[in-house]
Formats: sequence, C-alpha cells, structure tokens
Amino acid sequence: DAGITQSPRHKVTETGTPVTLRCHQTENHRYMYWYRQDPGHGLRLIHYSYGVKDTDKGEVSDGYSVSRSKTEDFLLTLESATSSQTSVYFCAISEFGGRIAGNTIYFGEGSWLTVV
Amino acid sequence: KNEVEQSPQNLTAQEGEFITINCSYSVGISALHWLQQHPGGGIVSLFMLSSGKKKHGRLIATINIQEKHSSLHITASHPRDSAVYICAAQDTNFGNEKLTFGTGTRLTIIP
Repeated sequence: DAGITQSPRHKVTETGTPVTLRCHQTENHRYMYWYRQDPGHGLRLIHYSYGVKDTDKGEVSDGYSVSRSKTEDFLLTLESATSSQTSVYFCAISEFGGRIAGNTIYFGEGSWLTVV
Repeated sequence: KNEVEQSPQNLTAQEGEFITINCSYSVGISALHWLQQHPGGGIVSLFMLSSGKKKHGRLIATINIQEKHSSLHITASHPRDSAVYICAAQDTNFGNEKLTFGTGTRLTIIP
C-alpha cells in the first residue's frame, strides 16, 4: 500500500469556520490531488499539485484553497466552511501524473467532514 | 447526462457467479481506470487501460476505444468481492490531470 495519511479522518465544524485537511505522503510522488465524494456524484477533482508550490484548480475549486510547501504535504483549506462542503474528501497521489497514460493513482483513506 | 455512466448501479449475485460491470464514457480519454471502494471507504486501483484487455487473478478488464466502453468482469465471485466498483476516465481536460468518475456499482455477493 502507498504511504498516504489523511488528517483529520473525521471532523465536525460549524458554518463559517476555517478548516484545513492535511494529506501526507511518504512515496515522494510529484502529483497530489484532492477530491470530494458526494452521494449521486462520482468523485470530483477540487485542486491538484504537480510539484512544490505548483497547484492548479480542478472542476469544483470554488470555496477551497490549497498549498504545497513540501513534496510530502498537500493541504486543503476551506476558508469559511459551508454546509454544501459537507462531504468525504480523498487525497490521491501519482508519480507521473496524467501525462503518462494510465499512471497508477493511489488514494488515501478519506476524511469525513460535516459542516453544521 | 454524466460523462461517465456505469451499469448496473446495484448488483446482487450468488457466490460463484460471473459478474460484469459496464462503463460508458463520452469524454476524450488517455486511459480508463477501474477502482474498488471498500465498505470502510478506502479506494484501491484495480486496473488502468488504454486499449485491449488486462487480467489480474479473477478480475478481467476490457476496453473498446471506438465504442467508448469498458467492462470489468469477476469470475468465480466471492463474498469478499463485495464492494463498490468505480470506473474513471482519465480526461484530456485539465492537462490530463482530471479523472472523471462514474458513480459506482455496488456489488453484493451472497454466500
């Protein structure tokens, strides 16, 4: 199994508060991703990173920001959490990214976030 | 209409049966992934396909690029195969970094 750790694994927070989710990897993979998973939807890409300090938006990036100051850590921040951001968040890593067709992607165990 | 459609959404079968899960996609892709999500939520990559067929143990995945269709087959199904199976198209949008996911097929194998 790839070494990916997400924290916290479960969190309940109040509307309007900031929340940061952390993804830590021990594989030295260049690419890191944040997805959210909601009922009735497939996983959707929030943001991704292709290197230290190199990040880009995914398809559902509104209300989220990310930072990657070290290869091993990719942080997802909800600046002011809303109920619509209640979801399960998955971090994923990939050594070569999508430019190598079919490059294996590894997922973390997920972080359950509830915004009340 | 979702860009990646899976069928069926739910599938219950007896142990030992041959299982087929289908995935159709409408986006341009560089690869097609099959993933397994366990009841606890963890997601594991099973296959990556850009053409043809791959086999791993009792699992077989096929893709027809012209038809934009992929199938995942499980032979001699077992209760431990019970999980949600997800196909994901490696979309050529977002610099090839976007995976467009289906909503999953929930498979239950009854002993």
